[in-house]
Amino acid sequence: AQSVAQPEDQVNVAEGNPLTVKCTYSVSGNPYLFWYVQYPNRGLQFLLKYITGDNLVKGSYGFEAEFNKSQTSFHLKKPSALVSDSALYFCAVYYGQNFVFGPGTRLSVLP
Amino acid sequence: DAGVIQSPRHEVTEMGQEVTLRCKPISGHNSLFWYRQTMMRGLELLIYFNNNVPIDDSGMPEDRFSAKMPNASFSTLKIQPSEPRDSAVYFCASRNDLTYEQYFGPGTRLTVT
Repeated sequence: AQSVAQPEDQVNVAEGNPLTVKCTYSVSGNPYLFWYVQYPNRGLQFLLKYITGDNLVKGSYGFEAEFNKSQTSFHLKKPSALVSDSALYFCAVYYGQNFVFGPGTRLSVLP
Repeated sequence: DAGVIQSPRHEVTEMGQEVTLRCKPISGHNSLFWYRQTMMRGLELLIYFNNNVPIDDSGMPEDRFSAKMPNASFSTLKIQPSEPRDSAVYFCASRNDLTYEQYFGPGTRLTVT
């Protein structure tokens, strides 16, 4: 069965520093991969996706993610974190007709 | 476009009462999803419609839960009778099947006392 793992429940980073939120997946074949962000009391918002092509994809708010097929990973990155990036981040995989979300990683950017 | 619209935004009800949550997807989106989010269980997919037809309802917890999509612009999730353990935030999302991107509504926070 396909699954998505986000190994860190919480990531803390200082404002201005680079951030990484990790995601690994367990799907055979070629999955479609997504990142979503959830701010307090809001629904999830689409950030970026990988379908095919360049392994480095760029999304909203300066975020990017790198697809690594050999490591089955799709880590979310940003060169310089902002306090306003503090939120809950979800990785998701779409394969076949199934869309599976990871458990989420809470990102705290400290001023 | 106004995005995915959900109503009500908050619902407080007593155990045993019927609860109906409503969702209007983004116009032109072919797929609609209902999710439940709690601290304990995270984000759970309850049911998924494509072209108004239920495709996967394996996430519906039990017979007390039912969902309908009578047309492309409206869906309901009903809980009857409600129980305190149903307290959660319920999200509706719609998806453009060409881009695979899901767009979420603001959610309905349900509290069953």
